[in-house]
Amino acid sequence: EAGVAQSPRYKIIEKRQSVAFWCNPISGHATLYWYQQILGQGPKLLIQFQNNGVVDDSQLPKDRFSAERLKGVDSTLKIQPAKLEDSAVYLCASSLNRGTNEKLFFGSGTQLSVL
Amino acid sequence: AQRVTQPEKLLSVFKGAPVELKCNYSYSGSPELFWYVQYSRQRLQLLLRHISRESIKGFTADLNKGETSFHLKKPFAQEEDSAMYYCALSGHRRNQGGKLIFGQGTELSVKP
Repeated sequence: EAGVAQSPRYKIIEKRQSVAFWCNPISGHATLYWYQQILGQGPKLLIQFQNNGVVDDSQLPKDRFSAERLKGVDSTLKIQPAKLEDSAVYLCASSLNRGTNEKLFFGSGTQLSVL
Repeated sequence: AQRVTQPEKLLSVFKGAPVELKCNYSYSGSPELFWYVQYSRQRLQLLLRHISRESIKGFTADLNKGETSFHLKKPFAQEEDSAMYYCALSGHRRNQGGKLIFGQGTELSVKP
């Protein structure tokens, strides 16, 4: 099966600029996640969608981060304006449902460097 | 507070030696525990989950609720086991299905 697709693979921007990441989950997967992974740390959940609705965005810095999944399929994550501490790998993942035992399938990630 | 702790950043062993990657968790309730692995230049992927009680690539993990631990073990390490390993938990609370909380990760290096 085709995996979770993410683009771009790498992005370098200056602080205060804007950036957007795109994710296309595995076909048929209802749940989509965006994780932030800072170097040397484990992934941290930013936002979780069930179809096109937000399930959990408690750790999303809403003053600068936004995400949408308008048609319940692909999703975009935006940062505006970016800060130095936003440098990280942004991982998108999807799962068939929202159960506690669901296997998550991860994309390759977008590596963001904010200078 | 929900938390996953992996005390070792790096674990280095020789081929054929036993391996134990430690994982401790903090959660008020009965979480689901997982081990995810990331091989060099590959995506993060599920290795095993405690509810399946399975052995994958020779690895096993037992949930010890008394010690709140979920250590990953393999009796004889292979060079191809070299990777980054993440312990993760998922809660049963409302709206937390599928929400994984990850540990910091342990890099396993298996030397020939």
